Amino acid sequence: QKEVEQNSGPLSVPEGAIASLNCTYSDRGSQSFFWYRQYSGKSPELIMFIYSNGDKEDGRFTAQLNKASQYVSLLIRDSQPSDSATYLCAVRGGSQGNLIFGKGTKLSVKP
Amino acid sequence: GAVVSQHPSRVICKSGTSVKIECRSLDFQATTMFWYRQFPKQSLMLMATSNEGSKATYEQGVEKDKFLINHASLTLSTLTVTSAHPEDSSFYICSAPPWRRGRAPGAYNEQFFGPGTRLTVL
Repeated sequence: QKEVEQNSGPLSVPEGAIASLNCTYSDRGSQSFFWYRQYSGKSPELIMFIYSNGDKEDGRFTAQLNKASQYVSLLIRDSQPSDSATYLCAVRGGSQGNLIFGKGTKLSVKP
Repeated sequence: GAVVSQHPSRVICKSGTSVKIECRSLDFQATTMFWYRQFPKQSLMLMATSNEGSKATYEQGVEKDKFLINHASLTLSTLTVTSAHPEDSSFYICSAPPWRRGRAPGAYNEQFFGPGTRLTVL
């Protein structure tokens, strides 16, 4: 059974700071990793995906993958109050491609 | 990105009644759709995988006779919660990866989520 672990938080950072969100996964064979943002009462929104070791940058977001350590992280630079949400880490699950989600980390960006 | 709609967005029903939730891909075809459920302060948990033209695949612990899934076309999947009870109250979310001719099942990165349906059973 594949599992994804995240610190539930809440993680509180001041506006303009870097927020660092972490995720570990159990299945060494996992290939694709996703970060989603979920606002309260809404469905998840894809931030980015990564499948190669190293960093992947998209605007203020950087995903980092370390397959040897089975660790994925998301960095948010210049955090804004609008970034306050729950961030879900997910890995691709079975052969049909469903996602296995972590419980999410709640981020609060203080003005 | 592509759009997935869900209807209704919110439903309140009495215990024992049945509720149907529709998931539509508006501008792409989807041979597979996923149904997730999210309880308060919990993560999304896969309930079942809906396949166009064949039976749905249910996750362990999900009663297939209670949660009826019909993938009627390449753009529509429905989830019917039969004889709903208060413990079925949850946020139901569907997602769909776009179908691409020749692409292996599961070999995609994009997967579009519907806005969710909030079910409250009294």
